[in-house]
Amino acid sequence: DGGITQSPKYLFRKEGQNVTLSCEQNLNHDAMYWYRQDPGQGLRLIYYSQIVNDFQKGDIAEGYSVSREKKESFPLTVTSAQKNPTAFYLCASRGGGVTTSTDTQYFGPGTRLTVL
Amino acid sequence: GQNIDQPTEMTATEGAIVQINCTYQTSGFNGLFWYQQHAGEAPTFLSYNVLDGLEEKGRFSSFLSRSKGYSYLLLKELQMKDSASYLCAVRDPQYGNQFYFGTGTSLTVIP
Repeated sequence: DGGITQSPKYLFRKEGQNVTLSCEQNLNHDAMYWYRQDPGQGLRLIYYSQIVNDFQKGDIAEGYSVSREKKESFPLTVTSAQKNPTAFYLCASRGGGVTTSTDTQYFGPGTRLTVL
Repeated sequence: GQNIDQPTEMTATEGAIVQINCTYQTSGFNGLFWYQQHAGEAPTFLSYNVLDGLEEKGRFSSFLSRSKGYSYLLLKELQMKDSASYLCAVRDPQYGNQFYFGTGTSLTVIP
């Protein structure tokens, strides 16, 4: 079955600890994205990657880091520098090139991170 | 900056029709997308418009006017399972084809 997986679904961490959220896709998509969703604020882009070994900061990258060593994997690390890390984190991927007009983003099931 | 506006909440009756509006101001435009998101779950793709006009997909239709920076999602024959948040997103080619999302419209369908 093709799709995007994120694990775990729920994650609890103590304040001051780094934590890595996984995102894997077998859709052969080039582009991958990480979003954060807070109540009343919609989805905000943290980082995105359009190709292996390349990634760019989104609107709220501070306190986060990513890597893209393989096409199918785009893990996100929430560092202790992130002031308010408790949120719902969504990973997405997008197929097609930048000139393809009909592609869209497909989302993983999300990870709800709670920092205690 | 990028600005996507949607109403925060709407309520409609089972079997009725509801229209959810979205207005946008972005640097560039390469498509407007609608997603449905049930509480605690991931958004799922509903529809896409890149040219002006109406796109129909079963009970769901989406309309776009690029000159007005305006779109709406029309849901017909509402069912209880349509209670969800509906997200409007614009793809901007000037920023690596990033998607900019509105805050979402929480729709409650009542009997």
